Parts: sequence; structure tokens; C-alpha cells
Amino acid sequence: GQNIDQPTEMTATEGAIVQINCTYQTSGFNGLFWYQQHAGEAPTFLSYNVLDGLEEKGRFSSFLSRSKGYSYLLLKELQMKDSASYLCAVNTNAGKSTFGDGTTLTVKP
Amino acid sequence: GAGVSQSPSNKVTEKGKDVELRCDPISGHTALYWYRQRLGQGLEFLIYFQGNSAPDKSGLPSDRFSAERTGESVSTLTIQRTQQEDSAVYLCASSPGVGRGASTDTQYFGPGTRLTVL
Repeated sequence: GQNIDQPTEMTATEGAIVQINCTYQTSGFNGLFWYQQHAGEAPTFLSYNVLDGLEEKGRFSSFLSRSKGYSYLLLKELQMKDSASYLCAVNTNAGKSTFGDGTTLTVKP
Repeated sequence: GAGVSQSPSNKVTEKGKDVELRCDPISGHTALYWYRQRLGQGLEFLIYFQGNSAPDKSGLPSDRFSAERTGESVSTLTIQRTQQEDSAVYLCASSPGVGRGASTDTQYFGPGTRLTVL
């Protein structure tokens, strides 16, 4: 089976940097996704990692270590609109996606 | 269409009734996923289709839940004899394919169907 762990909640200040961690245990790993979900809305794609290392995309970066079963999402220059839930999702070779329960980030002025 | 659509957007039903939820994926997307999301919780995988076949039905909570997909397009999720614990948002997503990276595996979500069982 698969097990994905993320912190439930995090709080940060506007303009700061925040790191959201995700650890996973899975067989047949075939990529890790981060999605953003604003309250009452559907999740939207943020980033994808399949090889070890850091992927940077503007204010958002995502890191993966396959040997450690570990990923993080780094958000820089936080804005109020970044307040949302951030979902870590692991894909397997069989095509199945397993989502973590999400981390609710609150950005305060 | 431009994105994934789902209908109805809201459904209120009485315990014991059957409901049918519909998902129209993005045209050309071969993979289609159903998830359930209870209030304040993460996404619970239900089932996914590759084309018209369902390689993984392991997430369906009970035999009251079933899903089908026809013509590599629309999918319906049917819940029979609904129970109060079925109340949740049911999200559908589609992706271009499966297993070849971000270009194929990124999922695009519909707005969801909010189901309330009284």
C-alpha cells in the first residue's frame, strides 16, 4: 500500500518563505505531484518531480529524494492569495494516484 | 470542452435513494479519476479508468458504489442506497495518459459534485 504524510496546518507571514514537507512509502514510484486547492475549489497542478533534485518554477520550488521517500514544496515571497491547502500526491507505475490529506497554509499580514 | 465538467454541481438526496454523478473529461484525455473529499479532509481515491477499462477499483468503499465509462469520454459514478456517510464532494479528474511524466499524468480536476444525504 501507500502512505503519505504531510503536516496538517502551517502558518506563515506575508513576504516570508515556507517549506511544506511530504514523506511517502510506496511501491512502483512513478512521480510526485503537488497540487494547490483553495477553499471550495478543485485542486490545480503546481509541480511534478520524478528525478531527485529541485524543480523551480517562479515563487514555487519542489524537491524530491526518492531514496528517502521525501519531498518538499517551497513557497517564496508569500502572498495572501497563497493561503490554501497544498496536496502531495504520489503516482505509481500502475497509474494510481494517492493523495495526502493536505497541508492548510494560512498566510498572515 | 475547455475543462472537466461535472453534473450536478449539488445534489441533496434522502437516505436510501440512488444517485448518479456525471463527469465529462477534457476531450482526448484517456485517463479519468474519481475521488471523494469529505469536509476538511484530503482526496480519497475511488477508481480510475484508462480508456474504458478500470485497472484499479480498489478505492470504491463498498458494493453500493459503481462507475462506468463509455466511449473514452463521459463517466458516471453511481451510489446505490445512499447513506449519510456518503455526504462529501465527489471530484473527477482527467489526464492525457498515464505513466510518462508530467505531460501525461497531470490531473485536471472538475469543480466537483457536492452530495448531501439527509
